[in-house]
Parts: sequence; structure tokens; C-alpha cells
Amino acid sequence: NAGVTQTPKFQVLKTGQSMTLQCAQDMNHEYMSWYRQDPGMGLRLIHYSVGAGITDQGEVPNGYNVSRSTTEDFPLRLLSAAPSQTSVYFCASSRTVQETQYFGPGTRLLVL
Amino acid sequence: EDQVTQSPEALRLQEGESSSLNCSYTVSGLRGLFWYRQDPGKGPEFLFTLYSAGEEKEKERLKATLTKKESFLHITAPKPEDSATYLCAVQATGQNFVFGPGTRLSVLP
Repeated sequence: NAGVTQTPKFQVLKTGQSMTLQCAQDMNHEYMSWYRQDPGMGLRLIHYSVGAGITDQGEVPNGYNVSRSTTEDFPLRLLSAAPSQTSVYFCASSRTVQETQYFGPGTRLLVL
Repeated sequence: EDQVTQSPEALRLQEGESSSLNCSYTVSGLRGLFWYRQDPGKGPEFLFTLYSAGEEKEKERLKATLTKKESFLHITAPKPEDSATYLCAVQATGQNFVFGPGTRLSVLP
């Protein structure tokens, strides 16, 4: 089991560019989520999904888009990158929304 | 609104010097409290889940306890490899996780 995988590990963008952060899990988990981590602020929920075809907004969804076409994959799209989106992004998954979440290794994003 | 605070923000210990980290929370209908360890440049790694007041969990030098308003992560005789950021998260029934800001622990040899 690879667990939760994320690509890329590091990315530099210019303001206004778009990109997709990839997340995949091989544990057949129904629940998947995206967080951003900023110094002193802890992990904040961006979007989540309770199953294929179902997504919902978390605490800080503006500027991000998600889709869940399969159980395994949950990509996060930045529509028009802004410097405020400079952060470390983590994807997580769990069997259900009520259970322990397991995290990927993260994607470090720098927006210039 | 569910809230989680952690103290101290940073803690420096000598090897073998035991101490405790605190996680205080306000949540309606606690479903579970989770402790994670995060090493620099890595994703959070799951340590414990606690479900009800009075519950305790242990793993090597770590012991987590839970009351109705807070949780403690006790570290007994820490080693340098215990250096990491420790994150606490709470979950109310049917709700998403809410994470605290973490405690950065340094254990000096």
C-alpha cells in the first residue's frame, strides 16, 4: 500500500497561473480532504469529499476547485494563483468522515 | 464554533526530562480527539484517538489522556528522535476535523 500520494512535491507559480495538485489513495477510503498549512495557523480545511461524485466546501474554499470522479483520486485546482495561496497543501483520506485521517507527504507551493 | 488551542507553542527539553503538552477544545458533541506527530517537511502521522473523558492511550514514551475540556500528551524520558511538532484535532459528530496550531517540541541530547 502506497497510502496517500501527492504530486508535485514543490511548485513555483506566477500570479494568475493555474495548476492542479494531485492526490491519490489506494486504501479504498470514501472520505478525502484537502488542507493548507500556514505558520501559526494549523491545518485549515479547503474542500472535502465523502465519496465519488460528492464534494463540499471547507473553511477556506475561495480560489480552489475540486472534483471526485473516482474513489482513488481527489485533485485540487488553483484557478488563478495569488500570493496568498503560498502554503503547504496536504491531502488526507479516511474510511469514513468519522474515522482517523491519514495524510500525504504534502505539496509546497510558492506563488510569486 | 469549534475551537482548539495548544500550549505551549514551543517546548525545549533535555533528553530524559519528562513533560506534558496541552490541547484545549470547545466543541459541541465530541466524537473524537486525535493526536498527530509532524516531522519537518512531512505530512502529519497519526498517533492516537481518544473518544471519551477518562480514556488513556500509550505508545512507547507517549501517553495521551482526555478530560471533558482538554487532552494532555505526556512524554516520559524523551529522546532527541521525539523532536517534532505535535498536532491535536477534534471532531464533533458528523463534522470535519478542527486542528490546533501545534506544539513544536525540541529534545536536546
